[in-house]
Amino acid sequence: LAKTTQPISMDSYEGQEVNITCSHNNIATNDYITWYQQFPSQGPRFIIQGYKTKVTNEVASLFIPADRKSSTLSLPRVSLSDTAVYYCLVGDVYSSASKIIFGSGTRLSIRP
Amino acid sequence: NAGVMQNPRHLVRRRGQEARLRCSPMKGHSHVYWYRQLPEEGLKFMVYLQKENIIDESGMPKERFSAEFPKEGPSILRIQQVVRGDSAAYFCASSPPPPDTSYNEQFFGPGTRLTVL
Repeated sequence: LAKTTQPISMDSYEGQEVNITCSHNNIATNDYITWYQQFPSQGPRFIIQGYKTKVTNEVASLFIPADRKSSTLSLPRVSLSDTAVYYCLVGDVYSSASKIIFGSGTRLSIRP
Repeated sequence: NAGVMQNPRHLVRRRGQEARLRCSPMKGHSHVYWYRQLPEEGLKFMVYLQKENIIDESGMPKERFSAEFPKEGPSILRIQQVVRGDSAAYFCASSPPPPDTSYNEQFFGPGTRLTVL
């Protein structure tokens, strides 16, 4: 499983765009990149997944450069409710269901 | 469609007692995973089960911990003779069987917070 590195914490303000970058230098050909969000006292929630280029859904966008050695989760116009821990993880797209390896995540704090 | 259910949400035990944590997966999901989270840390995988089978228990402590997912009823994580170090949040997740399994997409419950006095 490829190891990921992401900032321990980030601060921003309401209405700003927040970009959280994750490094995964040893990503394998079959690996997908997945992001989870965890609010305090809740279980993690899947928010977005991608393989290359750009993926967008109603919650966030995920940018993946051509070499795939990093990825950036982009949260547009954040609000206080986006305060959470964000986890980046990578793994084999062709593997059957298996455990998720969570890192320490990025603790995002949004201020008014 | 109800999400993953866990109960109890909070559990207090004294050292030496047993803790039983229950998890009901989402409807139609046959894969269940248990994770443990210490304060200010990420989740750590414990065990992965399918109905009546343990698929991967590489994260389970060798002693005092066991898990099951019977043909009928919820999955149970059992901790015998609890110690203070077992105090943590225990999360259960579920995913559907193939071909509906989306890689790395698991649905998590709200967790059970175990406090050992």
